[in-house]
Formats: sequence, structure tokens, C-alpha cells
Amino acid sequence: QVQLVQSGTEVKKPGASVKVSCKASGYNFTKYGISWVRQAPGQGLEWMGWISAYNGNTNYAQGRVTLTTDTSTSTAYMELWSLRSDDTAVYYCATSPGLRRVYYLDHWGQGTLVTVSS
Amino acid sequence: QSVLTQPPSVSAAPGQKVTISCSGSSSNIENNYVSWYQQLPGTAPKLLIYENNKRPSGIPDRFSGSKSGTSATLAITGLQTGDEAGYYCGTWDSRLSAPHYVFGTGTKVTVL
Repeated sequence: QVQLVQSGTEVKKPGASVKVSCKASGYNFTKYGISWVRQAPGQGLEWMGWISAYNGNTNYAQGRVTLTTDTSTSTAYMELWSLRSDDTAVYYCATSPGLRRVYYLDHWGQGTLVTVSS
Repeated sequence: QSVLTQPPSVSAAPGQKVTISCSGSSSNIENNYVSWYQQLPGTAPKLLIYENNKRPSGIPDRFSGSKSGTSATLAITGLQTGDEAGYYCGTWDSRLSAPHYVFGTGTKVTVL
């Protein structure tokens, strides 16, 4: 079955960067894209961006984010730069069928808590 | 803030029906498929409905989706205590300046 396993909790200082990993298994990694979604405490879902695991094409909703994939290990990465306190959130990866854009997000990772605090 | 508007909360007794609306525009809902996600407390979201009205395997037929114009609706019949969760609509927003995926504001379902 499809599984997405994310890296563990991170605590960072303002201005630093964080890199979260998402290791996929149970399907052909290059057949789908990976979306990243975050959820601040007590808030709703915010889509951050998408990367095609097939050709590396990306689509971002905001700046300060870089999405990459490593097809040799079926792992996707989300790096967020110049962290601020309002970046404190749980970050999720999710598979996105489609080669050029997001249609829906069908399998989700367990989430990674990133806390930004001085 | 989100371009898709949902009611903050809905509630009903066990066994009853609730509907959740998701209001958008011609750049998102009207011209793209809508999906719905359920988020139980403390867990990751789960896909409930995709392509407006299709259910992934394992999702009971108590959950149904529909779309008309710039709005979409999720209906839950035979409400159960285990349905208490947050529900989010989502769709592609194909505006030329910056196409991207968007979520609704979210709706908390309470079983009375």
C-alpha cells in the first residue's frame, strides 16, 4: 500500500532554514507528483507547492520554498528559508495524481511539526 | 485568506444528515474538479471525495459530493460520532497570474 513517511520534529530559530523529507513506498514514485501542505496551530490547510516526480517541474504558492525529489530513494524534500515565527506549523506531504498540475491529494504523510522560536 | 468559503461549523444528531457548502468562483470551482478531505483530531487529512463526486475505495457511500456552477457541496448521511472532524474542500485555481491549488476555510462537524 502507498505510504509516505516524513522526517521528525524540528525546532528552528528565526532566519534559519528547515528541510523536511518525505519517503514514499508502495507505488511507482515517478508516476505522481508530491504536494506540500501546512497547517498552523488551530488553523486550516494551506497548499504550499507541488513537484512532479516525473520531470521535476514545480508550482509554488509562495516564495521561500524549494521542492526537490530524489528518484533513487523515492524521497521528496521541502526546504523553507528565512523562517519566521508564523511558519510554525505541521507540514504534510501528499501524493498528487497528474503530471502537470494538482487534481487532488490522495495519500498523505503523517506530518512534521516545525516550530520557529528564538 | 482562502478563496473558497465554507461555513465554520455544522452540527446534527446521530443518524441525521449534514451538508457542507464550498463557495468559489469561475477561476476555481466552476472550471475544475473539486475534492473533499476529512481531518480527524490530531491526524493527517484524508481524501473523501475526488473529481466532484467520486469516492476512493474504503470511503462509505454515506459521503457524497456534488458541484453546481461556482459552488460544491459535501453531504454526510447517517451521521456517526466518528464523523466529528474538520472537513475541507479543495480545487485548482487556474487564474493566469499564479495557478495553484486552494483549500476551503474548513468546517467543523459536531455530532450532538
